[in-house]
Amino acid sequence: RKEVEQDPGPFNVPEGATVAFNCTYSNSASQSFFWYRQDCRKEPKLLMSVYSSGNEDGRFTAQLNRASQYISLLIRDSKLSDSATYLCVVNSRNEKLTFGTGTRLTIIP
Amino acid sequence: DGGITQSPKYLFRKEGQNVTLSCEQNLNHDAMYWYRQDPGQGLRLIYYSQIVNDFQKGDIAEGYSVSREKKESFPLTVTSAQKNPTAFYLCASSIKGQLGNTIYFGEGSWLTVV
Repeated sequence: RKEVEQDPGPFNVPEGATVAFNCTYSNSASQSFFWYRQDCRKEPKLLMSVYSSGNEDGRFTAQLNRASQYISLLIRDSKLSDSATYLCVVNSRNEKLTFGTGTRLTIIP
Repeated sequence: DGGITQSPKYLFRKEGQNVTLSCEQNLNHDAMYWYRQDPGQGLRLIYYSQIVNDFQKGDIAEGYSVSREKKESFPLTVTSAQKNPTAFYLCASSIKGQLGNTIYFGEGSWLTVV
């Protein structure tokens, strides 16, 4: 089983819709979790950290479910500019971060 | 401006040649990393360094070498022993916070073997 797993998509979603995707992790001792956004042929950029209690940043909401070992990202009122690949990142092993392969999202006008 | 600078952005190499990718950061971060990304795949860790003059192999270190003589610099050499070096290389640095390491990336270097 992979340490971090994501559905690769692609998810094609109409503009204005709400979209959510999950990321599962295998190591129950994982301590910290992040969502990154990567545009085509660019570097990943931090979107948001994921707090134990869940957190929101504008249209984006991140949740952590330790019991089921997954994190989620919800995007409300999606914009064309939200089209990107979303990477799940988990701190699983002593200061090393493990990246998921990413979920590709395309917002359709 | 603070950040991570990678150079060159695009590099073409002949088979059998070594090539060195530069990575410099002025964020005063202790930890630095090198990742490789292949098309449609996730990031794979090549090497990382948590402190000057110390570094550890990541998951795919074979065919690569690094040095960490200064806090700001973490160059990666892709040697001729690397069987399939064509990829997108990302340098990163991190700061330890309450939520663990938050990692920041340079703009990446595209290496193509011709």
